[in-house]
Amino acid sequence: SQQGEEDPQALSIQEGENATMNCSYKTSINNLQWYRQNSGRGLVHLILIRSNEREKHSGRLRVTLDTSKKSSSLLITASRAADTASYFCATDSFFSGGYNKLIFGAGTRLAVHP
Amino acid sequence: DGGITQSPKYLFRKEGQNVTLSCEQNLNHDAMYWYRQDPGQGLRLIYYSQIVNDFQKGDIAEGYSVSREKKESFPLTVTSAQKNPTAFYLCASSIDALRGENTGELFFGEGSRLTVL
Repeated sequence: SQQGEEDPQALSIQEGENATMNCSYKTSINNLQWYRQNSGRGLVHLILIRSNEREKHSGRLRVTLDTSKKSSSLLITASRAADTASYFCATDSFFSGGYNKLIFGAGTRLAVHP
Repeated sequence: DGGITQSPKYLFRKEGQNVTLSCEQNLNHDAMYWYRQDPGQGLRLIYYSQIVNDFQKGDIAEGYSVSREKKESFPLTVTSAQKNPTAFYLCASSIDALRGENTGELFFGEGSRLTVL
């Protein structure tokens, strides 16, 4: 089952523009994470926002979390061609034995054109 | 440098063969995970291990097996029972098992792409 679902599935912009990706989820969470994946590579952690936080910044990244709407957004400002990648949100979900697991959405494919 | 190493990067398998994907980490992390990624989809959890000599099934464990004999190593075997094994496989680790409110960062390897001929 997918907990997080990203929107849009694909986004194409010009360098210098801002890119906004959204993530919706279904059940309550402890925190939400965003990851980046270059084509054919592993995922790299970008940022984690806890359920009691509403906004978080890291460099050109800005993440918001609205627990009442069960949604999050990732904003990349002043995009660069090197930002071209797929971006995934991941939410935690209760798993067996008292442990959590991360559930990943299908991702947003971002293309930044020079 | 510390990190996670997966090998091989590309692997071809004939139907009916078992194959083993290697995952080694030198981050001194307790927990390790195997995910499967299909084109245009998110990651699905196959198995995870929170400690040496212990592992648990994920959402899609059928047709796969793992072992955790050493803290650093978590190999995944794709058996002939897996009906659709062609996929991109990702290994990850975290400092400790994700428990309670501690859903921390996962560190990923570069992946292994398995193709069944």
